[in-house]
Amino acid sequence: AQSVTQPDIHITVSEGASLELRCNYSYGATPYLFWYVQSPGQGLQLLLKYFSGDTLVQGIKGFEAEFKRSQSSFNLRKPSVHWSDAAEYFCAVGEGFQKLVFGTGTRLLVSP
Amino acid sequence: DTGVSQNPRHKITKRGQNVTFRCDPISEHNRLYWYRQTLGQGPEFLTYFQNEAQLEKSRLLSDRFSAERPKGSFSTLEIQRTEQGDSAMYLCASSLMLEGIYNEQFFGPGTRLTVL
Repeated sequence: AQSVTQPDIHITVSEGASLELRCNYSYGATPYLFWYVQSPGQGLQLLLKYFSGDTLVQGIKGFEAEFKRSQSSFNLRKPSVHWSDAAEYFCAVGEGFQKLVFGTGTRLLVSP
Repeated sequence: DTGVSQNPRHKITKRGQNVTFRCDPISEHNRLYWYRQTLGQGPEFLTYFQNEAQLEKSRLLSDRFSAERPKGSFSTLEIQRTEQGDSAMYLCASSLMLEGIYNEQFFGPGTRLTVL
């Protein structure tokens, strides 16, 4: 069965510093990969997605992610974090053309 | 606003009561998904519809849970005889599925259920 691992439960980053959130997946075929962000009390907003092609994908709010098949990873990055980026971040893999399988999430805290 | 909407946003109920949630997807989307999210966890798949047909149900969806999507538009999720373990955020998502083309799911704000 497909699975997603986000090894960091919490990460604290200083405002203006760079960010990398880790995601590893287990999937037999070419995966469809996603990063979603969830602010307190809110639903999930899609940051970016990887379906095929260029392994470095750009998303909204200045985020990017790199698909590395050899490492089964899809890490999320941002060069300079803003206080408004504090939220919970979820990596997900699309199972076939159907449901999403999510990781347990990484809570990002931004310190002044 | 043409996004996914869910009602109610919050529901508090007593154990043993029945509750029903509604989801209105993005109008042209033919797929509708339900997920459950408990505290500190990522969303877990419950079930999904393509138009009015329910195509898959997770083993998380016990016999007390039923979902419908009449006419392929809005969907309802009913929980009968609620238990404290049903307390969670119930998320709805929709997507446009075209043959051979995978599109992302758009999520609603969720319905937070608290069972006392």
